[in-house]
Formats: sequence, C-alpha cells, structure tokens
Amino acid sequence: DSGVTQTPKHLITATGQRVTLRCSPRSGDLSVYWYQQSLDQGLQFLIQYYNGEERAKGNILERFSAQQFPDLHSELNLSSLELGDSALYFCASSVGYKNIQYFGAGTRLSVL
Amino acid sequence: GQQLNQSPQSMFIQEGEDVSMNCTSSSIFNTWLWYKQDPGEGPVLLIALYKAGELTSNGRLTAQFGITRKDSFLNISASIPSDVGIYFCAGQGEGQGNLIFGKGTKLSVKP
Repeated sequence: DSGVTQTPKHLITATGQRVTLRCSPRSGDLSVYWYQQSLDQGLQFLIQYYNGEERAKGNILERFSAQQFPDLHSELNLSSLELGDSALYFCASSVGYKNIQYFGAGTRLSVL
Repeated sequence: GQQLNQSPQSMFIQEGEDVSMNCTSSSIFNTWLWYKQDPGEGPVLLIALYKAGELTSNGRLTAQFGITRKDSFLNISASIPSDVGIYFCAGQGEGQGNLIFGKGTKLSVKP
C-alpha cells in the first residue's frame, strides 16, 4: 500500500458528461501529481499541485482542471468527456527534495 | 508529450534467467526512477537513482544511472514468476517535479 488513496476505482460515464476524481496523498506529502495512462500514449503528466498552489502543467486539456484543498487532497475534474478520454488516471504524491513519487491505484475511466 | 525510449517492449523468459532493460533520452535527467506496475494497480517504486554513474541494488534488482545522464538500465537476476509485470523507467529533469515515463517493458516469466 503506497498510502495514496484514489476514488473511485472505476467510473463509467457517457460522452459529454463531467466527472470528478479524488486523491488523498500520503500523510505529510505536500505535492500531488496527476497522470493519465492510455494504451497508446503511456503515462503522461497532467498537472502538479504543491500545498494548494498549481506548480506545473503538462499535457492537460482545457476541458480538464484540478485543485488541491487545504487538507491537501486533490480533485481532477474532467468535463465534456470524449471517447478518447477513456484511460487510467493516477495520482502521485511526494515530499522533500528527492521528490520520490508514490502512486495510488488509479481510477479507470470508461467513456461510452 | 516527451517520452523516453525504453527497450525491449516485451520479454518472455524462463524462470531463473537474468533480465536486462534500458531507457535512453535525448535530454539530461537529474533523477532516474524504475517502477513496476501490476494489472489493476499503480506503479510501485523499485529503485531511485540521483547521480551519474550511480549503481543501486534492491534485492535481485540492480539499476544504474548512465554517465551521460541520458540513460539508465535495470537488471533483474534469477527471475521468478512474481517478477511478471510491466516495468517503467522515469526521468526527472532539472528543476522539474513531474516525471517523464518510458512506454514500459512487459515481462513474462515461464515457470
């Protein structure tokens, strides 16, 4: 168990809908990262938050947004969903200068 | 997005054999990490490397940070069935928090 908790584990929805994925980082970790894993693109970095502030952005679509709350949990919001958004979404957390990232078990999103 | 070149894409070996996989990048990295992912799970950290030339072991696993800082390899000795899974390399550039991942090496072990 990495200590990073992601809910829900599975999500099935329809095109055009909006969903929210939740992540609770390891106790004491201030940084949260979101990654998307699809079969053809592998693991791709989406966005990083550090102590409530956005720190870095990767290949995140404008239809996607995230936030980190005062208790350090984070949510990834995906809207106007398309078939191509079907993927595994992982959250990772880290602390300290070595920035070792520990991953949650992921949320499998299926857009039908 | 930017990705690392990881090879081989897949390996099918006999139990007890040694395994070697590697990653190369066009960019210099300050950190190399190796993860293993089982079906339905998130990546689990195996080894972290922080200095060029560094060689680190974790049980039967050994990884090295290349001298040029653009490559890394992972060796698994005397493979066992539970080594089955997908192994990912990941690199982190200067001043960057996010990881850049290779596409993975799928390892199958025949008992």
